[in-house]
Amino acid sequence: QVQLQQSGPGLVKPSQTLSLTCAISGDSVSNNSAAWNWIRQSPSRGLEWLGRTYYRSQWYNHYAISVKSRITINPDTSKNQFSLHLYSVTPEDTAVYYCAREERVPATALYYALDIWGQGTMITVSS
Amino acid sequence: DIQMTQSPSSLSASVGDRVTITCRASQGIRNELGWYQQKSGTAPKRLIYAASSLQSGVPSRFSGSGSGTEFTLTISSLQPEDSATYYCLQHDSYPYTFGQGTKLEIE
Repeated sequence: QVQLQQSGPGLVKPSQTLSLTCAISGDSVSNNSAAWNWIRQSPSRGLEWLGRTYYRSQWYNHYAISVKSRITINPDTSKNQFSLHLYSVTPEDTAVYYCAREERVPATALYYALDIWGQGTMITVSS
Repeated sequence: DIQMTQSPSSLSASVGDRVTITCRASQGIRNELGWYQQKSGTAPKRLIYAASSLQSGVPSRFSGSGSGTEFTLTISSLQPEDSATYYCLQHDSYPYTFGQGTKLEIE
């Protein structure tokens, strides 16, 4: 049974870096049939996809244009987890952040919709 | 970005009613769509993937249909535990985008 466990501080000061980790059990971050995503949710923006990382003989990343200049998503194969770093945060980055898995449709380059989600982490950006 | 327009934004229905929620995509997304149920304080839970495939363990009263730009989620006989907010998600192209949600209340 695949599970995702999120960790990270709930309060971040403006202009600093938001960092969250998603630990994977029951699957591998290097699984070449999965991709690992970050999503956030706020009352003002709804559910917003932020980006993903995945391994297909090498590591790939895709990011939402809205955050592309200040986001990185990194895998950590030694700990079987992946992380989100969002730089230069403002109060507009206040949201619940989720990690989630995508599974690849066998023998294709397509994916099924996000299936497994972490528990969510409320992040408040405030001084 | 592909815009996902979900309707209605809220509805109220009675136990046993048939309920339909619609998502329209601003451009064709094939069948690259999922439906999610979210209850207060919890992560979204996948109900439907590939527009019409039922997630394992989800009651058969939930069904999805559509392809291209028009998609529907139907609950055939509403139960009290179906009170939640429902979202669609397109994952055909980046950035993935969600509908704005439908809040379903049980009368």
